[in-house]
Amino acid sequence: SSELTQGPAVSVALGQTVTITCQGDSLRTYYTSWYQQKPGQAPLLVFYGKNNRPSGIPDRFSGSSSGNRASLTIAGAQAEDEADYHCHSRDSSGNHFVFGPGTRVTVL
Amino acid sequence: QVQLQESGPGLVKPSGTLSLTCGVAGGSVSTIHWWNWVRQPPGKGLEWIGEIYHSGTTNYSPSLKSRVTMSVDESKNQFSLKLTSVTAADTAVYYCARVAYNYPTYYFDSWGQGTLVTVSS
Repeated sequence: SSELTQGPAVSVALGQTVTITCQGDSLRTYYTSWYQQKPGQAPLLVFYGKNNRPSGIPDRFSGSSSGNRASLTIAGAQAEDEADYHCHSRDSSGNHFVFGPGTRVTVL
Repeated sequence: QVQLQESGPGLVKPSGTLSLTCGVAGGSVSTIHWWNWVRQPPGKGLEWIGEIYHSGTTNYSPSLKSRVTMSVDESKNQFSLKLTSVTAADTAVYYCARVAYNYPTYYFDSWGQGTLVTVSS
């Protein structure tokens, strides 16, 4: 399969930790990248690869991967972290990209 | 940091052709990066459309391949998307984006602001 799956929604109390996951066969070969998207805005890269966080992204964002599953963790979630989070990777053929359906994170 | 800007009609008639261009500023389209189009229907997730290298090599989404053509104009530092035989299902915000990579990691490191294209008569 060339699909990526994500849970639809998760909520987290302010200051607590939340982990969202992405699953797909292609993740056994390719690393995931993660994008934060707020309403009316373009996606923003927040984590990619084995252990890479773009400049300007807070270190409360971290990622991990194992087998066919990848995770994005927000440690000490802030109100501004409330957004949709999309995972992305190459598909199993290696010639196309796929996105997960997105996970909405609500900060309570 | 490279900046991307989509341009093109915001309204396309059913069965017509959607045409968009992405201008690249602060960098050159003639680099090792691949240049992509991604769309997002209202209230839905991101959908990859395809990518093009400055040499003209392309990869398209299998679900859209029969209707998509991408091109690159190195002299104007821009790349373009054409999507034919559009229907209401093609109504979406269309983003252009740059892919960086270091196998086996691929990531979109720059995005345009997006442009809404509505298919309607």
